[in-house]
Amino acid sequence: GAGVSQSPSNKVTEKGKDVELRCDPISGHTALYWYRQSLGQGLEFLIYFQGNSAPDKSGLPSDRFSAERTGGSVSTLTIQRTQQEDSAVYLCASSPSSRATKETQYFGPGTRLLVL
Amino acid sequence: GQNIDQPTEMTATEGAIVQINCTYQTSGFNGLFWYQQHAGEAPTFLSYNVLDGLEEKGRFSSFLSRSKGYSYLLLKELQMKDSASYLCAVREGTDKLIFGTGTRLQVFP
Repeated sequence: GAGVSQSPSNKVTEKGKDVELRCDPISGHTALYWYRQSLGQGLEFLIYFQGNSAPDKSGLPSDRFSAERTGGSVSTLTIQRTQQEDSAVYLCASSPSSRATKETQYFGPGTRLLVL
Repeated sequence: GQNIDQPTEMTATEGAIVQINCTYQTSGFNGLFWYQQHAGEAPTFLSYNVLDGLEEKGRFSSFLSRSKGYSYLLLKELQMKDSASYLCAVREGTDKLIFGTGTRLQVFP
């Protein structure tokens, strides 16, 4: 079946503009995660959803970052008033349930964001 | 605090064996994952350990010692296509993964 998809694959924006990044998880997966990968850095957890609720938003770096998920499926990560340090690859992952133990997270191809 | 350490880069020769180490200090532990990530691509799952010991899967094996906060990924019969970054990640609680910075492995002929 189809894997996790993300759009756009690449985004170039000017400092101060808002951007929206989209994630379509694997059908039936209730848990959805957002991570950020900066050049030379490890993946940094941002937020996760179980269904439409976000029990853990601890990784969001500032109040310019927000995310929502509707219908237990598609999620949107919004960055307001983008800054150059926001430039990174934003990865989305899904898994059948956040409470599963052995179940891994399946990653999408990511959105490469460049803020000029 | 949270800390996951792995070597930044490693090199090896085609056909050889390489061991990538990972040490971790996290506030909780509910499993350790290894992922492979080719340049410009998404991470893909390799292995999962939650109990001490060795998990073998084809050419790849992963070991865990919870008391030492230590894991390694063992790659045998290296192939050129194994050139990639290998990410060690610890699951805290029931949700998020905490990742190391990854080890970039280059395999030479």
